[in-house]
Amino acid sequence: QQQVKQSPQSLIVQKGGISIINCAYENTAFDYFPWYQQFPGKGPALLIAIRPDVSEKKEGRFTISFNKSAKQFSLHIMDSQPGDSATYFCAATGSSYKLIFGSGTRLLVRP
Amino acid sequence: GAVVSQHPSRVICKSGTSVKIECRSLDFQATTMFWYRQFPKQSLMLMATSNEGSKATYEQGVEKDKFLINHASLTLSTLTVTSAHPEDSSFYICSASGQVATNEKLFFGSGTQLSVL
Repeated sequence: QQQVKQSPQSLIVQKGGISIINCAYENTAFDYFPWYQQFPGKGPALLIAIRPDVSEKKEGRFTISFNKSAKQFSLHIMDSQPGDSATYFCAATGSSYKLIFGSGTRLLVRP
Repeated sequence: GAVVSQHPSRVICKSGTSVKIECRSLDFQATTMFWYRQFPKQSLMLMATSNEGSKATYEQGVEKDKFLINHASLTLSTLTVTSAHPEDSSFYICSASGQVATNEKLFFGSGTQLSVL
């Protein structure tokens, strides 16, 4: 019940395209769903996060879509750029801020 | 956003020695700190949660006598890998939560790459 399932494992997108990464969770007590971007040898950096009282949140080229009934959420990266090439992790947590991470998606944006 | 400083960024040690990793919250009081371990091309796995002034809570399968965690103040937590072995080689990352005036409540350090020879 603590798992967060993430797909796909890897993703290749052309520059300017849309990158979509999906996650699903089981624990209905989770109430905070962040997405992190990680470059090799670096710690994860928060991209965008959402709480279950909204179905969508947009910040620049990054959008989270959240489906509470299906217990799923996704990250959309619009106008993907080569600089977006990194590993992306979804995560979920409750009031403890004890994050449960998805397995990660390695994104490659081709020029 | 708030800053969490982790030191060292990279350490190489001989098998059998101990290594200490520091995690500091620079501009806020971190009531809770978390320690994660990440193997190459894998996700972050939570090792333990520490609250200032109390014993750390370890996740299942994490040896508390091997990975000593101290959270003596609201701005500093340390992870000591005791009697390190090559299988302990990994990327260790801390994060901290506390009261900050932003929507983001959890902040990550930049990680420590431990290589045990």
